[in-house]
Amino acid sequence: DAGVIQSPRHEVTEMGQEVTLRCKPISGHDYLFWYRQTMMRGLELLIYFNNNVPIDDSGMPEDRFSAKMPNASFSTLKIQPSEPRDSAVYFCASSSRYGYTFGSGTRLTVV
Amino acid sequence: GENVEQHPSTLSVQEGDSAVIKCTYSDSASNYFPWYKQELGKRPQLIIDIRSNVGEKKDQRIAVTLNKTAKHFSLHITETQPEDSAVYFCAASKASYGKLTFGQGTILTVHP
Repeated sequence: DAGVIQSPRHEVTEMGQEVTLRCKPISGHDYLFWYRQTMMRGLELLIYFNNNVPIDDSGMPEDRFSAKMPNASFSTLKIQPSEPRDSAVYFCASSSRYGYTFGSGTRLTVV
Repeated sequence: GENVEQHPSTLSVQEGDSAVIKCTYSDSASNYFPWYKQELGKRPQLIIDIRSNVGEKKDQRIAVTLNKTAKHFSLHITETQPEDSAVYFCAASKASYGKLTFGQGTILTVHP
């Protein structure tokens, strides 16, 4: 298995633009998580899904953020409109009772 | 919700010394406690974990202890090497496959 695949690896965008981050979880994993990492706030959970259903989105900072999981092999995290304070590394992770794996992350810079 | 506190925020040791990082958690329902190592620009990597029915676990130079009554757990690295230099995160969860609440991280530097 190729692991959790995230794209793009790096994204630079202008303030106000829409940004979409993508994640392909490990096949057979029934949980998918989106985490955000910043120097100020560390690693924090944004939202997670179980069997494609959002379970807890209490970490989503505001309405500008949305996440979807249309099927077991794909999830997106969208920011619209983006702001400079959204600059961070966004990690997707997937898990089952047999393992928990992080993707390589997307480094987002909003200028 | 769960709150995890981690100390120290930075730790500097000489090669061969031991390093200890401590974490406390608030939710008594948490019963899974992993430790992650993150190198610069990389993803967090699981290095060891412990479940609440175990008090101590060891894997070569790394060990973790858990005191469920006091709600604290610790990472112990013996015979440190320069390649141990990284950021270490503790975390707590209700299940090994569930959402993780992370500590703030410890920057460990091992000087040759």
